[in-house]
Amino acid sequence: QVQLQESGPGLVKPSQTLSLSCSVSGGSVTSGGYYWTWIRQHPATGLEWIGHIYYSGNTYYSPSLKSRVTISQDTSKNQFSLEMTSVTAADTAVYYCVRSNADLSNAFDIWGHGTLVTVSS
Amino acid sequence: AIEMTQSPSSLSASVGDRVTITCRASQGIRKDLCWYQQKPGRAPKLLIFAASNLQSGVPSRFSGSGSGTDFTLTISSLQPEDFATYYCLQNYNYFTFGGGTKVEIK
Repeated sequence: QVQLQESGPGLVKPSQTLSLSCSVSGGSVTSGGYYWTWIRQHPATGLEWIGHIYYSGNTYYSPSLKSRVTISQDTSKNQFSLEMTSVTAADTAVYYCVRSNADLSNAFDIWGHGTLVTVSS
Repeated sequence: AIEMTQSPSSLSASVGDRVTITCRASQGIRKDLCWYQQKPGRAPKLLIFAASNLQSGVPSRFSGSGSGTDFTLTISSLQPEDFATYYCLQNYNYFTFGGGTKVEIK
């Protein structure tokens, strides 16, 4: 059974870079048919898709975040990562790493537990 | 960007009730619509994909319907474990979630 686990700092200062990693167990980030995805959830504004990376390394980002976001993968560690630059308090949220499954019409079928990131000085 | 409008934003219901939640897309999205259930402190759980397909392991009291711009999630007989928040998601053009519907105990 595939499992995802987020890791990274829970507190980031304004204007700095948020960096999170997602470890994949029970499966491989190089498997075709899956998009490895980051989603965040704000208490006030709900769930927001940030972007994803395909096994080939192709990336797709939300147009509203594209200028600040990079998603990458480390096949040797079977991980994928999120970097978000120039963060503000509005980036405070629970961040989930998620698998999108082509067999399920690209539905998000497996989620990590989520990690709370607070942006504050 | 495609906007997803869910209604109602909350509802109160009793065990055994039939519950219906709707989601409307700002433009046609074929049947590229999923439904999720989220309980406090937990990640969302996939219930329905492609508008009407039940995810493996999800009870058959959950069903989805619709295409184009209007979609419905129905719980045929509400159970105690179904009290949660439900979200729709369009995956036709990028991904957009609805604002959620909180189902509370009456």
